Amino acid sequence: DTEVTQTPKHLVMGMTNKKSLKCEQHMGHRAMYWYKQKAKKPPELMFVYSYEKLSINESVPSRFSPECPNSSLLNLHLHALQPEDSALYLCASSQTDPRSNTGELFFGEGSRLTVL
Amino acid sequence: AQKVTQAQTEISVVEKEDVTLDCVYETRDTTYYLFWYKQPPSGELVFLIRRNSFDEQNEISGRYSWNFQKSTSSFNFTITASQVVDSAVYFCALSEAGAGSYQLTFGKGTKLSVIP
Repeated sequence: DTEVTQTPKHLVMGMTNKKSLKCEQHMGHRAMYWYKQKAKKPPELMFVYSYEKLSINESVPSRFSPECPNSSLLNLHLHALQPEDSALYLCASSQTDPRSNTGELFFGEGSRLTVL
Repeated sequence: AQKVTQAQTEISVVEKEDVTLDCVYETRDTTYYLFWYKQPPSGELVFLIRRNSFDEQNEISGRYSWNFQKSTSSFNFTITASQVVDSAVYFCALSEAGAGSYQLTFGKGTKLSVIP
C-alpha cells in the first residue's frame, strides 16, 4: 500500500464547479508535490511545497490553487476548469527540500479528474 | 538541457520470457541521478531504483536488474522470467544533482504487457 493517500480517487466536475483534491502523508516528509499526468504521457510537475511553503510553481494557470495546511497535508483547489484539464493528478512527497533531495519521490495513486 | 528517451512505446512478452526496457539520457552535468519507476494500472508511481552518475555497478534485485553504461548514456532495465504482475508502464527519469528532485525529467514511458 502506498504511504501517500489521495482523495478522491475519481472526480467528475463541470466547468463552473469548485472542488478540491486532497493528499496526505505521514512519513515526516518535508516536501510535497503535485503532478499532472495526461493519458499515455509522463507526469508533469505543477507545484512543489517545501516546509509548508510554495517553492515552485511551474507556470500553472490560476484555476489550480494549491494549499499546504500543514506538513502532512496538501490540497489542490480547482475552479473554472476546462475539459483539457482532465487528467490523473498525482501527489508525491520527498524526505527533504526538493532542491537538495536526490532521493526518491513517493507517489500516491492519484485522483482521476474528468471535466465536463 | 536534460532529456530522457525511452524508444520502446509498448512491449508485449509471454510470461516467463526475459525483457529489457531501454533508457537513453542526455545531460551536460557530471553529477546526476537516474531512476526507474513502475506505474501499474492502479495509478501510483512505484520507485524501483536510483543510481548516481559515479556508480556504474550493475544492480540486481530479485528478477530485476539494471545496466548502467555511461559510455553509451544508457540505463537499461531487465526483467527476468516476467510475470503478469509486471504488466505496467515503466518510466526512466533523470535528475541533475544541482537541480534536485523537483527537476525530475521523465521519459515517455514503456508500456509492458505480460501475456499469460
